[in-house]
Amino acid sequence: DAGITQSPRHKVTETGTPVTLRCHQTENHRYMYWYRQDPGHGLRLIHYSYGVKDTDKGEVSDGYSVSRSKTEDFLLTLESATSSQTSVYFCAISESDRETQYFGPGTRLLVL
Amino acid sequence: KNEVEQSPQNLTAQEGEFITINCSYSVGISALHWLQQHPGGGIVSLFMLSSGKKKHGRLIATINIQEKHSSLHITASHPRDSAVYICAVRIMGAQKLVFGQGTRLTINP
Repeated sequence: DAGITQSPRHKVTETGTPVTLRCHQTENHRYMYWYRQDPGHGLRLIHYSYGVKDTDKGEVSDGYSVSRSKTEDFLLTLESATSSQTSVYFCAISESDRETQYFGPGTRLLVL
Repeated sequence: KNEVEQSPQNLTAQEGEFITINCSYSVGISALHWLQQHPGGGIVSLFMLSSGKKKHGRLIATINIQEKHSSLHITASHPRDSAVYICAVRIMGAQKLVFGQGTRLTINP
């Protein structure tokens, strides 16, 4: 299994509070991705990174920001959490945009 | 309309049956992925293919580029195959994947 961890694995927070999710990899893969998974929608891309300090938006990026200051870590921040951001968040990595993506275990976020 | 459509959405079968899950897409693609999501939530990549057929154990994935269609087959199905199977495509020229909504498969003993 690819070495991908996500933290925290579960979080409950209140509307309006900032939240940061961390994805950590030990594979030295160039590409990292943040997805959210919701019933009826499947996986949707939030943001992705193609290198240190290189990031781009996905299809559902509003309300989220990301940072990648080193190869192994990709942070997803909800500046002011809303109930609509209650979801399961998955991180994924790949060597290139043409290669298989390997997924982390997911973070379950509940915004009350 | 979603760019990636899977059918059926739910499938229940008896152990030993031959299973087929379908994926249709409406855009030009450079590759198609099949993934498996276990009941505990973990997601595993099964196949990546851009033409023809791939086989791994009891799983077979096929793709027909002209018809914009792919199938995932499971032979001699087993209760441990119970999971959600997800199709995803890489749109030509894009760096991102677009996912189908998944097919929930339940294999009863």
